[in-house]
Amino acid sequence: AQTVTQSQPEMSVQEAETVTLSCTYDTSESNYYLFWYKQPPSRQMILVIRQEAYKQQNATENRFSVNFQKAAKSFSLKISDSQLGDTAMYFCAFIQANAGGTSYGKLTFGQGTILTVHP
Amino acid sequence: GAVVSQHPSRVICKSGTSVKIECRSLDFQATTMFWYRQFPKQSLMLMATSNEGSKATYEQGVEKDKFLINHASLTLSTLTVTSAHPEDSSFYICSARPPERGSGTQYFGPGTRLLVL
Repeated sequence: AQTVTQSQPEMSVQEAETVTLSCTYDTSESNYYLFWYKQPPSRQMILVIRQEAYKQQNATENRFSVNFQKAAKSFSLKISDSQLGDTAMYFCAFIQANAGGTSYGKLTFGQGTILTVHP
Repeated sequence: GAVVSQHPSRVICKSGTSVKIECRSLDFQATTMFWYRQFPKQSLMLMATSNEGSKATYEQGVEKDKFLINHASLTLSTLTVTSAHPEDSSFYICSARPPERGSGTQYFGPGTRLLVL
């Protein structure tokens, strides 16, 4: 069974600074997708970024980027120029995929990291 | 982007009554929807996978007779909490996965806060 571990229950950062959230996972699959979801105080889950294991290049979305280390099974999220609106709980998630890139099974979530951005 | 709605957003009910929560995919068809439960400051716990036109698949430990799931169409899944008790109070979230997007990305509804008195 796959597991996803987020070892940082809480983190804080000053506005405009950079912060990195950690995520490690365990799987025997060769292809899969990894996600970072954000859950702000409204509790709406929002997709932040997605990475396919077969792709070497790290995914980026504006101020959000990942450091995907497949051999180490690590998938950290870097938030640059942190904004007050980035305050949220962040979840790392994993889903298996076949060689063709089609996912299957269920999404496995990490425990979450509560990020607070201070003015 | 894909939008998922959930209704109601908040419900308060008396112990022993049943509550129905609706989950709709607004701009795509979803053969598969998911129901999660979440306690404050904790992760999402998958309760069941809802499949259009067939029975839902429940996770271990989830009572299928207590949490009835119906996926009657490609855009609607419902979760009914039967004979609700205070311990069923929680935040329930649904999600849907567009079938043509192989990446497995799920889009989430805004959640329903259930309080059983």
